[in-house]
Amino acid sequence: DVKVTQSSRYLVKRTGEKVFLECVQDMDHENMFWYRQDPGLGLRLIYFSYDVKMKEKGDIPEGYSVSREKKERFSLILESASTNQTSMYLCASRTGTGDEAFFGQGTRLTVV
Amino acid sequence: SQQGEEDPQALSIQEGENATMNCSYKTSINNLQWYRQNSGRGLVHLILIRSNEREKHSGRLRVTLDTSKKSSSLLITASRAADTASYFCATDGSYGQNFVFGPGTRLSVLP
Repeated sequence: DVKVTQSSRYLVKRTGEKVFLECVQDMDHENMFWYRQDPGLGLRLIYFSYDVKMKEKGDIPEGYSVSREKKERFSLILESASTNQTSMYLCASRTGTGDEAFFGQGTRLTVV
Repeated sequence: SQQGEEDPQALSIQEGENATMNCSYKTSINNLQWYRQNSGRGLVHLILIRSNEREKHSGRLRVTLDTSKKSSSLLITASRAADTASYFCATDGSYGQNFVFGPGTRLSVLP
């Protein structure tokens, strides 16, 4: 069974903390994505990666960075968390352009 | 910038009725996909329609694509309470391999 696993379901962090959100897929997919989802705004693309060590900015990369050292793992990093980064974060992976994407269960991050 | 935009934003119907959601997009596409999200969960793929297809069926789902109008519609027939969810269209963006979603339609099916 296909699986995308996000490290935490719920997370509470303090303003200014460095936050790591981890995503692991077991499907040998080339493409991985990080989105944030906010009410009324749908899913907004933060970063994506099309290969190991490769990354591209999405629509809202400010305040975030990513790391993809291994094919199966794509990490989202909040260098200094702020309250406006409180959101639901969704990771997805897929084989390539035009293919079905598989999503993790989401991480609801609250920054206080 | 978002590639897809769904309408309506919210839709409330009775069980047994049909639900239609629309999606418009801005640039040329190779395919368009529809996803479903139950409250607070990840998205699940429903159906993919390629740019050279006009209509596609999967069970109670029917998707149409009009590339001249840059729009797609998702029809759910004989809706059930379990169809209550948010529905999103998604397209591959205008560069690279990014993958963007519209804001979604929130469907409520009342028993």
